[in-house]
Amino acid sequence: DTEVTQTPKHLVMGMTNKKSLKCEQHMGHRAMYWYKQKAKKPPELMFVYSYEKLSINESVPSRFSPECPNSSLLNLHLHALQPEDSALYLCASSQGRGDWETQYFGPGTRLLVL
Amino acid sequence: AQKVTQAQTEISVVEKEDVTLDCVYETRDTTYYLFWYKQPPSGELVFLIRRNSFDEQNEISGRYSWNFQKSTSSFNFTITASQVVDSAVYFCALSEAVGGATNKLIFGTGTLLAVQP
Repeated sequence: DTEVTQTPKHLVMGMTNKKSLKCEQHMGHRAMYWYKQKAKKPPELMFVYSYEKLSINESVPSRFSPECPNSSLLNLHLHALQPEDSALYLCASSQGRGDWETQYFGPGTRLLVL
Repeated sequence: AQKVTQAQTEISVVEKEDVTLDCVYETRDTTYYLFWYKQPPSGELVFLIRRNSFDEQNEISGRYSWNFQKSTSSFNFTITASQVVDSAVYFCALSEAVGGATNKLIFGTGTLLAVQP
């Protein structure tokens, strides 16, 4: 089973709202990732967690706040977003045992910021 | 610098035609991994194949085949007898180790494949 789930599937929010995206995997993976994908572009890495610790932040604005409460769950807290933050947000996970493991992606959350 | 180039932005074929998606990469690493992912309109990135730099054997999986050539830094993907369900954006990616048993995927810009019935 290589399933990564993400909720919600769609989210519309205003610029003053606070919302959270959720990602879950039950494959025993210990590395989890957040990507942002704009239309007609490839995914761009935002954050990497390794064993529940943030290991990479690709200079993402502080209005995006990741959280990894346990090895199966990854959240992305959103606050005071801008319309240009509208995108598909993808979560992925990998085993966390080696450097070049396959990343398995979830279906994504389509975010629209008004 | 690591880079992946997918020169074909869009390809349109008629069902049952064979189609090859090109991928050219740049890296200074001697050990590296290459991937292909499929992204249908639903949005999910579906893993297709992972290949390491030491294994140049071509791979076939059903109607899919991959040709890896280190001499030309290419990792091309062929779909034989294409079907409408193959319509998607296909991404080639190079994996960069970033520590902590994690990696960063360097994606190409993707190729949109449209298979017409």
